[in-house]
Amino acid sequence: DTAVSQTPKYLVTQMGNDKSIKCEQNLGHDTMYWYKQDSKKFLKIMFSYNNKELIINETVPNRFSPKSPDKAHLNLHINSLELGDSAVYFCASSQVTTGADYGYTFGSGTRLTVV
Amino acid sequence: QKEVEQDPGPLSVPEGAIVSLNCTYSNSAFQYFMWYRQYSRKGPELLMYTYSSGNKEDGRFTAQVDKSSKYISLFIRDSQPSDSATYLCAMSAARDDKIIFGKGTRLHILP
Repeated sequence: DTAVSQTPKYLVTQMGNDKSIKCEQNLGHDTMYWYKQDSKKFLKIMFSYNNKELIINETVPNRFSPKSPDKAHLNLHINSLELGDSAVYFCASSQVTTGADYGYTFGSGTRLTVV
Repeated sequence: QKEVEQDPGPLSVPEGAIVSLNCTYSNSAFQYFMWYRQYSRKGPELLMYTYSSGNKEDGRFTAQVDKSSKYISLFIRDSQPSDSATYLCAMSAARDDKIIFGKGTRLHILP
């Protein structure tokens, strides 16, 4: 039973299109994240939501808009896709408020290629 | 200076060797230190987590944190080909603060 699942796994699309990536976690975690991993494998945070509330919004073009309908879901919508948006997008979740456990549980990633 | 520095490698070692992976950081506020392992085309998975300075051991893996030097290490004993992956160090200042990742070190264990 997958803890953090993302769909789709692969996405190939043309410049200028709008696309969405979905993420769901069944861990009961309060906080969810979107990270972007570029071609050099650098993992950089984009957004963080805690219980449906946006808490981290890094310097990301406003073409990227996260949406959290409930604390188990965090989707990422990207408008007017550009070549530079090609990367692997990872969703993650964590329970930061209580417990000894720390760190994120990541999904397996969505490989976005813009052509 | 980047907040977290990590040699990207690749690092190739023979099976059975001891592997040492390291990161340096600049932000003295960091208190939580992690190592993640990422296999090709997979998401990172948490290997070890350490709070503040000291050592932590889990099986063949040992994590060390030296806050005075702003230096963290991961040691892998009796390395196996299945340990071949990218290892990312990560750290944060508080439980509810964002986690900053290093760029990762690619490790190859040669059979």
